[in-house]
Amino acid sequence: GAVVSQHPSRVICKSGTSVKIECRSLDFQATTMFWYRQFPKKSLMLMATSNEGSKATYEQGVEKDKFLINHASLTLSTLTVTSAHPEDSSFYICSARGGLAGERNEQFFGPGTRLTVL
Amino acid sequence: DAKTTQPTSMDCAEGRAANLPCNHSTISGNEYVYWYRQIHSQGPQYIIHGLKNNETNEMASLIITEDRKSSTLILPHATLRDTAVYYCIVTDSSYKLIFGSGTRLLVRP
Repeated sequence: GAVVSQHPSRVICKSGTSVKIECRSLDFQATTMFWYRQFPKKSLMLMATSNEGSKATYEQGVEKDKFLINHASLTLSTLTVTSAHPEDSSFYICSARGGLAGERNEQFFGPGTRLTVL
Repeated sequence: DAKTTQPTSMDCAEGRAANLPCNHSTISGNEYVYWYRQIHSQGPQYIIHGLKNNETNEMASLIITEDRKSSTLILPHATLRDTAVYYCIVTDSSYKLIFGSGTRLLVRP
């Protein structure tokens, strides 16, 4: 399957700082990327959908000013958790989907980023 | 909210077929059925998807009932590495995946 990478794989930060997580599609052009988070023993929760070159669409209850998403190219999307607090500690996972002619339409997921806010 | 219902957990013996059911009684005509699995602390892995015909790939087979209200994922020869949480997801052309609780499959030696 297609490869999606995330960086960093894990990060520990102090409360009040901002953390940026990168999501890259390595072997295909991702017209759409999705960001999820997952709390321990829970299922994935969709946070937002981002299309290359346009503003992200956030799911209900997700603060767009706290979780800044940028999808500046067809291979890179970033999620910035601003002014992080301990309750933001979670497993953040991105997925990418092609959509250009000839591309596969499945979503491929990154390995996830574990954020711990002290 | 997820549009699917799956058993919370299942188990099967290594080498045997694992049949994972999924109910999606409110599925619309333009919605696909997707299956993903998640091994502990990893990102979900795509398995297979279908619209109304049965599908097979190198990982699994997907059997969709004629009325499309339910489907079954079949892992023909389960191995220990197939132990994971399996998610059945119904999605439309937006490709938004809304994850439910999934089925925790345990493959026994």
